[in-house]
Amino acid sequence: GQQLNQSPQSMFIQEGEDVSMNCTSSSIFNTWLWYKQDPGEGPVLLIALYKAGELTSNGRLTAQFGITRKDSFLNISASIPSDVGIYFCAGQLGGAQKLVFGQGTRLTINP
Amino acid sequence: GAGVSQSPSNKVTEKGKDVELRCDPISGHTALYWYRQRLGQGLEFLIYFQGNSAPDKSGLPSDRFSAERTGESVSTLTIQRTQQEDSAVYLCASSFSFSAGELFFGEGSRLTVL
Repeated sequence: GQQLNQSPQSMFIQEGEDVSMNCTSSSIFNTWLWYKQDPGEGPVLLIALYKAGELTSNGRLTAQFGITRKDSFLNISASIPSDVGIYFCAGQLGGAQKLVFGQGTRLTINP
Repeated sequence: GAGVSQSPSNKVTEKGKDVELRCDPISGHTALYWYRQRLGQGLEFLIYFQGNSAPDKSGLPSDRFSAERTGESVSTLTIQRTQQEDSAVYLCASSFSFSAGELFFGEGSRLTVL
């Protein structure tokens, strides 16, 4: 089946640092999304991207839909303790309603 | 409440027993999804409902897994003759039709098969 390769798998950073993670695929996606999951919770949508080349911000978060439609990145600026969690990229193939998820990036922040 | 509700939140069962997991979607959401998340892993698609029909059940891992949905409301995921490899968190999500991936997830049902 379709796979999304998400990297890095984990990050250990200092509070205040910027963070960057990305997702690539061999398939072309119509939609890219980024979700965050806190322990014991379901994932929550952070940013949705609908057009190749689109760059979207949500507060300290910025995400881009790659021009080839096969990749996306998420940046977090000036990280704070509540940014800790697991970040998942997800893609939606044309004609399919389901989302394909990456394996996640676990973010840990040292105060 | 206003969110997706799942029950039970935790279930411990013995190998070979059947389990039933329940999902109450957000009112008005016509699409409903089940995903499985093994420990430390990403989300694995199981099945998608539009109303009470399942146009995509391609992710169900075996014939021991089945799901149904009543109208545009409650869904149940049933696992028969559970195996240890079924241990995981089962996440339900709902959305408006054609919401282009904007899913709202419940907190999940954690299943442990001994």
